[in-house]
Amino acid sequence: AQSVTQPDIHITVSEGASLELRCNYSYGATPYLFWYVQSPGQGLQLLLKYFSGDTLVQGIKGFEAEFKRSQSSFNLRKPSVHWSDAAEYFCAVGADDYKLSFGAGTTVTVRA
Amino acid sequence: NAGVTQTPKFQVLKTGQSMTLQCAQDMNHNSMYWYRQDPGMGLRLIYYSASEGTTDKGEVPNGYNVSRLNKREFSLRLESAAPSQTSVYFCASRGLPGANVLTFGAGSRLTVL
Repeated sequence: AQSVTQPDIHITVSEGASLELRCNYSYGATPYLFWYVQSPGQGLQLLLKYFSGDTLVQGIKGFEAEFKRSQSSFNLRKPSVHWSDAAEYFCAVGADDYKLSFGAGTTVTVRA
Repeated sequence: NAGVTQTPKFQVLKTGQSMTLQCAQDMNHNSMYWYRQDPGMGLRLIYYSASEGTTDKGEVPNGYNVSRLNKREFSLRLESAAPSQTSVYFCASRGLPGANVLTFGAGSRLTVL
């Protein structure tokens, strides 16, 4: 069975500082990996995805993620956060049938 | 704007009452999904429909039924609501195989007293 672990429940970061959100997955084959962002009271928006190929993927809003098969990880990074990046972030893993499994989420607070 | 529309956005029920959450997409997508979101647990799949005319159970189907009414619409029914079903429910859709992105609705917040 596939599963996702996001070890950090809550992260606080200063505006302009870098951000890294951790994601570890368990899956028997090469997974499809995703990062979604959810602003308060909103639905989920796709930030980026990995299916195959280059292990460093670029997404929207200046985010990037790196797939490391040896560590079963897909960590999300942003070099310089903006106050508008305050949100909840979800890592997800899926397969061809596209039944995504989500992590519990990491809430990001941005302080001025 | 094209997308996934869910109704209602908010609902309060008493234990034992029934209700249906409606979901419609106008992107001509084949697959549709219902997830529930609970604090500290992320999103869990309740039911999905790979294509019109088919439905399958997900991770947490107990207490729910679904209907894929046509290609556009996928409804979720609670026959006898329980407090444990208090949650935020999200509908999502996906296009043809190879279009490997889920598009989510804005969510429906359900409280069962």
